[in-house]
Amino acid sequence: GAGVSQSPRYKVAKRGQDVALRCDPISGHVSLFWYQQALGQGPEFLTYFQNEAQLDKSGLPSDRFFAERPEGSVSTLKIQRTQQEDSAVYLCASSQDLANQPQHFGDGTRLSIL
Amino acid sequence: AQKVTQAQTEISVVEKEDVTLDCVYETRDTTYYLFWYKQPPSGELVFLIRRNSFDEQNEISGRYSWNFQKSTSSFNFTITASQVVDSAVYFCALSEAGYALNFGKGTSLLVTP
Repeated sequence: GAGVSQSPRYKVAKRGQDVALRCDPISGHVSLFWYQQALGQGPEFLTYFQNEAQLDKSGLPSDRFFAERPEGSVSTLKIQRTQQEDSAVYLCASSQDLANQPQHFGDGTRLSIL
Repeated sequence: AQKVTQAQTEISVVEKEDVTLDCVYETRDTTYYLFWYKQPPSGELVFLIRRNSFDEQNEISGRYSWNFQKSTSSFNFTITASQVVDSAVYFCALSEAGYALNFGKGTSLLVTP
């Protein structure tokens, strides 16, 4: 498709399990972003990639969160030893380049930790 | 500290009414960008507009219009003749460093027939 694709759409995991969320950006988009959106709140920035380089990970809540984009296209957000407070919608966005171009978002992955 | 404030948590209007969504931002940068996004119940954030700090000209796109005033640090969004399909959560966002978006908490708009 032409848009940002995220999978899975929904993920339920037990506390303590590891999860991996996938993002397939718009073809040719250099920049890729991950955001976390808690219920009833605005999205909060987690991390940013330019091609395969992770240029900013200041928003990652803890060292249990890890993101990668090894070939400069698909990205994976991994959460280790999940906790209940990790329950949220994880949004991925991509844009053509750095210069404040509009970010195009996927539908998100709704993560529920039991 | 919250950099983007959307004071209206929920707004309910009847179809065909005009409605304005407020956005106040805070930044010390002279160069910055402001955005509005729409989030329908399906969850995907839909880009509506981008405005840079050097362009205070108001913009109109169909039933949508935006009023940017640097003097009051506001970037308000007006929907004219609202329709049921406009029901969604609307987010205002600020970009300072050139990439990360700082979102407000959003305004939930309900348009009833």
